[in-house]
Order: sequence, then structure tokens, then C-alpha cells
Amino acid sequence: EAGVVQSPRYKIIEKKQPVAFWCNPISGHNTLYWYRQNLGQGPELLIRYENEEAVDDSQLPKDRFSAERLKGVDSTLKIQPAELGDSAVYLCASASTYEQYFGPGTRLTVT
Amino acid sequence: AQSVTQPDIHITVSEGASLELRCNYSYGATPYLFWYVQSPGQGLQLLLKYFSGDTLVQGIKGFEAEFKRSQSSFNLRKPSVHWSDAAEYFCAVGLSYNTDKLIFGTGTRLQVFP
Repeated sequence: EAGVVQSPRYKIIEKKQPVAFWCNPISGHNTLYWYRQNLGQGPELLIRYENEEAVDDSQLPKDRFSAERLKGVDSTLKIQPAELGDSAVYLCASASTYEQYFGPGTRLTVT
Repeated sequence: AQSVTQPDIHITVSEGASLELRCNYSYGATPYLFWYVQSPGQGLQLLLKYFSGDTLVQGIKGFEAEFKRSQSSFNLRKPSVHWSDAAEYFCAVGLSYNTDKLIFGTGTRLQVFP
């Protein structure tokens, strides 16, 4: 069984530029999560999807962050424009019951 | 507010020694508790979880954890550490009314010396 796939694995951009991250969850998993993990911290939930619906986006900074999950499978997280403080690892996870399976993450560096 | 505390930022042990990583949580109801491990450049892998029942939980890779309600703790243990156990370990709590929402601690980095 393939795991959660994320791309790119690394991204370096200048501040004020846009950036997008892509996630392909485990087949059959209806629930998809985006987390942000700052250096030396645990992951923090940004948004959770149940199929196509964003059921918890209370922690998503909506002025610059957006996400979509068309057709309830793949998902894209976008930042526009990026700020220096957005440098972090962005993790995607998927779940079918109570266990979340995490992808390897995208390490974003904003210069 | 719900929170998870991992008081040890960094722990160093010798290979073959026993290990205990501490985790304390703050939550008014019965929590769902998890331990994850993260190797460099990798995503998080679930080691074990506690939902109910036996308070001593067995996980993968020889790890176990014990839920102690009176101490609001869920410490992770391993009797004999292997060099491959060097990684970052995260404790997390799932809120009983919404087990999908996980709150993570700040992690403990484990270093293993030969």
C-alpha cells in the first residue's frame, strides 16, 4: 500500500512569492489534514477535509493561505504571498478511522 | 485549553539502556492518547495509541506506554534501546468529542550512543 505522497519535498522562495504544495492521500482515505510544523515544535493543524468539504479550517490564516481538495482525493495548499515566518515543514496526513498516516512533508524556506 | 507537555527536549542514552519519555496532558475529559516517531526527513509514524481499556499499551518496535489518569501522564518506555531508535518522539492527545483533532507536544529528541 502506497503511503501519503507529497511534493515538492523542498522549496526555497523569496518572500512575497506564491508557493503551492501538493498531497496525494492513501487510497480510500476520506479524511485529509494539512499541518504546519515549525522548527522544534510539534505539528499544528491548519485544515481538515472530509471528502471535498473543509470541516475544520479554524487555524488556517485565510488572508494568505488557501487549500482545496477537488474530487475528494488530492489536495493543494497555497500560500500567497509568502512571509519569512512561513518557513516550516508542511505535513499532509490522511485517515480512514482513528489513525492518521503522515506524508514526508514539504520543507519550505522563505528568504 | 487542551495541551500536551513533553518536559524533556533532548535525551541521550546508551544503546541497550532502558528509555522513558515523559508526556503530560491537560484535558478535562478522557483523552485519546498517541505517540508518534519522526526520523529526519520523514513523516510521523504512529507507535501506539490509547483509547480505553488496559492502561498499559503495547506498540510497534518494542515500545509501550502507560496511561495514568491520576497523573495525567502517558509515558513511553522501551526496555532496551537500539541505535535505530534515534529520532524525534511526539506525544499527542485527541479530544474525545473529535478524535480527528490532534494536539501535539513539542517533541523529545532521542540520541543513542553506541
